[in-house]
Amino acid sequence: AQSVSQHNHHVILSEAASLELGCNYSYGGTVNLFWYVQYPGQHLQLLLKYFSGDPLVKGIKGFEAEFIKSKFSFNLRKPSVQWSDTAEYFCACAGGYQKVTFGTGTKLQVIP
Amino acid sequence: DARVTQTPRHKVTEMGQEVTMRCQPILGHNTVFWYRQTMMQGLELLAYFRNRAPLDDSGMPKDRFSAEMPDATLATLKIQPSEPRDSAVYFCASGLAFTGPNTEAFFGQGTRLTVV
Repeated sequence: AQSVSQHNHHVILSEAASLELGCNYSYGGTVNLFWYVQYPGQHLQLLLKYFSGDPLVKGIKGFEAEFIKSKFSFNLRKPSVQWSDTAEYFCACAGGYQKVTFGTGTKLQVIP
Repeated sequence: DARVTQTPRHKVTEMGQEVTMRCQPILGHNTVFWYRQTMMQGLELLAYFRNRAPLDDSGMPKDRFSAEMPDATLATLKIQPSEPRDSAVYFCASGLAFTGPNTEAFFGQGTRLTVV
């Protein structure tokens, strides 16, 4: 069965700090990987996705993620966060039967 | 602007009552997911459908929950009888494919359910 683990439940950063959120997945076959963002009171929106090719994926709002197959990881990064990045971030994978499974989420709070 | 539409946006009900949540997927999408979001459990997959057929509903308590797609434009999630522990935000998402370059799940705004 596929699963997704996000190690950080709550992260607090000052503006301009660099961000890295960890994500590990468990699935033996080919996977597609996603990062979604949920701003307070809103629905989930896609930040970026990986399906093949270059393991470094660039998304919207300056976010990027790196797929490291040997580590089953897909960590999200941003070199300099802004107050507007305060949100909850979800890692997800689609593997067997294309079922999309989400991690438990990481709440990011950016302090001005 | 195509989007997933969920109704109602908010629902407050008494314990024991039936609750029906509706989702209109994006036209042409063949896959529909139901997720439940709570503070304690995060985002849990309850069920999902491909071409209106249920593929996996193992995340759903079978004794009280049921999910259906009566047609391609409507997915429903019912709880009968509802319990306070069902209080959560229920999200519907739809997509066309989940492998390859067009892979993406589009989410609705959610239904915030409170059972008192």
